[in-house]
Amino acid sequence: EAQVTQNPRYLITVTGKKLTVTCSQNMNHEYMSWYRQDPGLGLRQIYYSMNVEVTDKGDVPEGYKVSRKEKRNFPLILESPSPNQTSLYFCASTPFSGLAGANEQFFGPGTRLTVL
Amino acid sequence: DQQVKQNSPSLSVQEGRISILNCDYTNSMFDYFLWYKKYPAEGPTFLISISSIKDKNEDGRFTVFLNKSAKHLSLHIVPSQPGDSAVYFCAASTRKNTGNQFYFGTGTSLTVIP
Repeated sequence: EAQVTQNPRYLITVTGKKLTVTCSQNMNHEYMSWYRQDPGLGLRQIYYSMNVEVTDKGDVPEGYKVSRKEKRNFPLILESPSPNQTSLYFCASTPFSGLAGANEQFFGPGTRLTVL
Repeated sequence: DQQVKQNSPSLSVQEGRISILNCDYTNSMFDYFLWYKKYPAEGPTFLISISSIKDKNEDGRFTVFLNKSAKHLSLHIVPSQPGDSAVYFCAASTRKNTGNQFYFGTGTSLTVIP
């Protein structure tokens, strides 16, 4: 089944404890992206990756890191989480690099993160 | 600063009638616009998109209209069905050398009343 998977789905952690949220897609998509969803703010793009080893900042990159060493995986790293990073996180992927226009994104199921 | 705005947090419509969801944007460099639907506890799913060079795109019951001069787009759902009840997000993208950057609105919760 074609899908975007995220792990973990739920995570409660404490301030300052490094964590990684994994994202994997099995559709051979080139473009992958991370978003956070917060009440009253909608979805905001954190980072995106046009292809392996090509990443760039979205609208709210502060406090996050990403890497794209393989086409299928795009982990989101929080080196020192803080309470304001408590949010619902979505990973998404798209078949094309994005340079030829915007294509539909396939979203994962979400990861609900709570930072105490 | 929100570059894509959905000013109506919620909308209720009778089954069979038209649902109109609105979206405004501020960045004239946006070249693509998209609508997504989201059910609780699931990721958003793509509905329909439109290029900035067009003013209308239709797919079944869903039609998106783009008014570039007003920086406004709308999603029409005709006829509305109870299964359409969900949160709808408007999104826009701008092209950079490193790929497309996306901006989403805050969402409109649509309730279709049977």
